[in-house]
Amino acid sequence: SQTIHQWPATLVQPVGSPLSLECTVEGTSNPNLYWYRQAAGRGLQLLFYSVGIGQISSEVPQNLSASRPQDRQFILSSKKLLLSDSGFYLCAWSVPRGSSPLHFGNGTRLTVT
Amino acid sequence: KQEVTQIPAALSVPEGENLVLNCSFTDSAIYNLQWFRQDPGKGLTSLLLIQSSQREQTSGRLNASLDKSSGRSTLYIAASQPGDSATYLCAVLYGNNRLAFGKGNQVVVIP
Repeated sequence: SQTIHQWPATLVQPVGSPLSLECTVEGTSNPNLYWYRQAAGRGLQLLFYSVGIGQISSEVPQNLSASRPQDRQFILSSKKLLLSDSGFYLCAWSVPRGSSPLHFGNGTRLTVT
Repeated sequence: KQEVTQIPAALSVPEGENLVLNCSFTDSAIYNLQWFRQDPGKGLTSLLLIQSSQREQTSGRLNASLDKSSGRSTLYIAASQPGDSATYLCAVLYGNNRLAFGKGNQVVVIP
């Protein structure tokens, strides 16, 4: 069966520090991968999605970037965190065919101080 | 731009009552609609997925309906239990693999 791992679960970082969140998927090949951010009262916002290695689409211009160095690995990064980057970050995957369900990881709670 | 609305934002029901959660979307050109459950501080768990060609899906006590023409979906949870307390989100898949989420219905089932 397929599983998705996301870490760390919580993170407290000072303003201006770098960020690296990692997500890996097991039990499937060539998945579509997504990074979402969930802020209180604002719902889920799609940040990046990827349909293959090295293929990243950015949805929102921001302080963050994403990379997909391996088929089932998706990384969210920042060189210098801002206070506004605080939030709950969720990685998700889906089978690469139209109209398939989305499966989420357990999320990372990021607090920028 | 696709907009997804879930009203009410929060509701409380006594245990045993049926739950009815509503989701509306502005653009009927969707591929599917998915209902999720989210517990506090956790990720989203997929409950049901309805393809655009379907009218409903059922899993145990859960039933979700879809009316594309009116831009609405309803999630029914029969005989609610305290363990059903969570936030329920609906999401609509439309063009280019984009999934638009509602802000969720926060449900409390009172024992």
